[in-house]
Amino acid sequence: GQQVQQSPPASLVLQEGENAELQCTYSTTLNSMQWFYQRPGGRLVSLLYSPSWAEQRGGRLTSSAASNESRSSLHISSSQITDSGTYLCAMERSNYNVLYFGSGTKLTVEP
Amino acid sequence: ETAVFQTPNYHVTQVGNEVSFNCKQTLGHDTMYWYKQDSKKLLKIMFSYNNKQLIVNETVPRRFSPQSSDKAHLNLRIKSVEPEDSAVYLCASSFRGWDAEQFFGPGTRLTVL
Repeated sequence: GQQVQQSPPASLVLQEGENAELQCTYSTTLNSMQWFYQRPGGRLVSLLYSPSWAEQRGGRLTSSAASNESRSSLHISSSQITDSGTYLCAMERSNYNVLYFGSGTKLTVEP
Repeated sequence: ETAVFQTPNYHVTQVGNEVSFNCKQTLGHDTMYWYKQDSKKLLKIMFSYNNKQLIVNETVPRRFSPQSSDKAHLNLRIKSVEPEDSAVYLCASSFRGWDAEQFFGPGTRLTVL
């Protein structure tokens, strides 16, 4: 079955300025996790990489993780229209650094 | 410029033809990957190479064959494409081991008619 579960599933709509929390849960022990952003037809852009399970980036995007709960969250504060796109989490669980991806959450930020 | 580069951007072909995709990274990484992203945007690992050696093959049909000339290049050849091969193929690279953040290329979109 799916090893990485992402929520909210499929899509999320926000009004500009609202906050959001995206979550990923994993079904096995992880080595590390990584969050990505992708615009339609665009490149997969790394937002956050965390072998140590906790990291903060920028002023509006932060991530928290609980390795003992196999869960990771991406917090988006004061959302902007330009944040619209698909957010994917990925886990690395083997010794080969291969990533296993969640199904993604499509975020739409409306004015 | 240091990044992951892929060619071509798009490729349209017919069932049964052979196609080849190229990937090059200038990040100094020692590990490269091919992922497949389907029409629902689901991403799945296909292959991983470390220093030209195949280290991961995730149950990929035999018509797919990766080729690596050195640690900076990883190409993908598909013999006799099938309609279900239509997808975006993403190349990525990283260091092997603890600090293994992956960086992705722009992808090659394959359409099989």
